[in-house]
Amino acid sequence: GAVVSQHPSRVICKSGTSVKIECRSLDFQATTMFWYRQFPKQSLMLMATSNEGSKATYEQGVEKDKFLINHASLTLSTLTVTSAHPEDSSFYICSAREMVGGNGETQYFGPGTRLLVL
Amino acid sequence: GENVEQHPSTLSVQEGDSAVIKCTYSDSASNYFPWYKQELGKGPQLIIDIRSNVGEKKDQRIAVTLNKTAKHFSLHITETQPEDSAVYFCAASKTGFQKLVFGTGTRLLVSP
Repeated sequence: GAVVSQHPSRVICKSGTSVKIECRSLDFQATTMFWYRQFPKQSLMLMATSNEGSKATYEQGVEKDKFLINHASLTLSTLTVTSAHPEDSSFYICSAREMVGGNGETQYFGPGTRLLVL
Repeated sequence: GENVEQHPSTLSVQEGDSAVIKCTYSDSASNYFPWYKQELGKGPQLIIDIRSNVGEKKDQRIAVTLNKTAKHFSLHITETQPEDSAVYFCAASKTGFQKLVFGTGTRLLVSP
């Protein structure tokens, strides 16, 4: 299957600082990428849909000024957690959508980034 | 909107046994149903998927079945091995709508 990478895999930061997470599709172009947040022992919660060359679409309840998303190329999307606080500590996972055949699509996930805000 | 329910939440089997995880969905327009395996501390890995134009798909020890009339789909793992132990998520989506709606996950434990 297609490969999606994330960087960094783990980050620890002080409260009030900003953290940037990168998501890359390594062997395919992705016009659409997704950002999820996952709490321990829970399912994935979609935060936003990132579209190349346009503004991201945020899910209800997700602060767009808090979680800045940029999708500047067909292989890279970034999530910036601004003014991070301890409650932002979580496992952040991106996925990239690959078009398959004529009208199919498949989503591949990155390995995740564990954020700890002190 | 779409709602996906997944059962059971936990499943313990002996090595070599079969494991079955079931999901139901609410939106009859959904036409794509992937299954993901997530190991501790890692991102979900796509293991198999099925589209609504087929009723069953197999890949070695893994199979997925889809019943469009009843709006449910199942993951079947045969000859389970300890390395199959993980959390499995089902999901559903509609072509063109992009978003996957996930089930709540099933924690599978395969004991040697």
